[in-house]
Amino acid sequence: KAGVTQTPRYLIKTRGQQVTLSCSPISGHRSVSWYQQTPGQGLQFLFEYFSETQRNKGNFPGRFSGRQFSNSRSEMNVSTLELGDSALYLCASRINSGANVLTFGAGSRLTVL
Amino acid sequence: DQQVKQNSPSLSVQEGRISILNCDYTNSMFDYFLWYKKYPAEGPTFLISISSIKDKNEDGRFTVFLNKSAKHLSLHIVPSQPGDSAVYFCAASGGTGGFKTIFGAGTRLFVKA
Repeated sequence: KAGVTQTPRYLIKTRGQQVTLSCSPISGHRSVSWYQQTPGQGLQFLFEYFSETQRNKGNFPGRFSGRQFSNSRSEMNVSTLELGDSALYLCASRINSGANVLTFGAGSRLTVL
Repeated sequence: DQQVKQNSPSLSVQEGRISILNCDYTNSMFDYFLWYKKYPAEGPTFLISISSIKDKNEDGRFTVFLNKSAKHLSLHIVPSQPGDSAVYFCAASGGTGGFKTIFGAGTRLFVKA
């Protein structure tokens, strides 16, 4: 069974640009969560989607958005990039929002110059 | 608002000895706690969990202890092995935030041979 797949794995952008990251969950998993990892801050919760609906949202500005498609694949978008957005963005899936264990992808490493 | 705290950024232990990683939480509504391990260039992987109705859960060399009155949990690794060197994240779910999972900042464990 394939794991959680995130693309791209690495990318470099400049301030003011926008970026879209993609996540394909484990087959059969309908919940997808996104986290931002920065040194010293751990994993900061961005949002969770279930059945194409945003179920939970973290404390991030509106520049961070996401969506989920009918096949459970998810994308997150960051507009007007800032230097502080440089981070590892992790996607995790689970069968549904009530399941406790998340399965993570390897992440997308974003560098903003 | 850091609801899950790991106050030790790093821990160094000799091979064969016990590693104890600590975690504190502030939200008494959390009802499920998990530990994840993360190697560089990989996503976090689930290690062990505990429900709030228990005070101990054991899986091989790994044991998690939960002290609800102190809002504290710990992960014990016995005996520690060099392959255990990684970043360990404590996480909690449940409560008024729904089922979103909140992570701590992580503790980097070094096991010396």
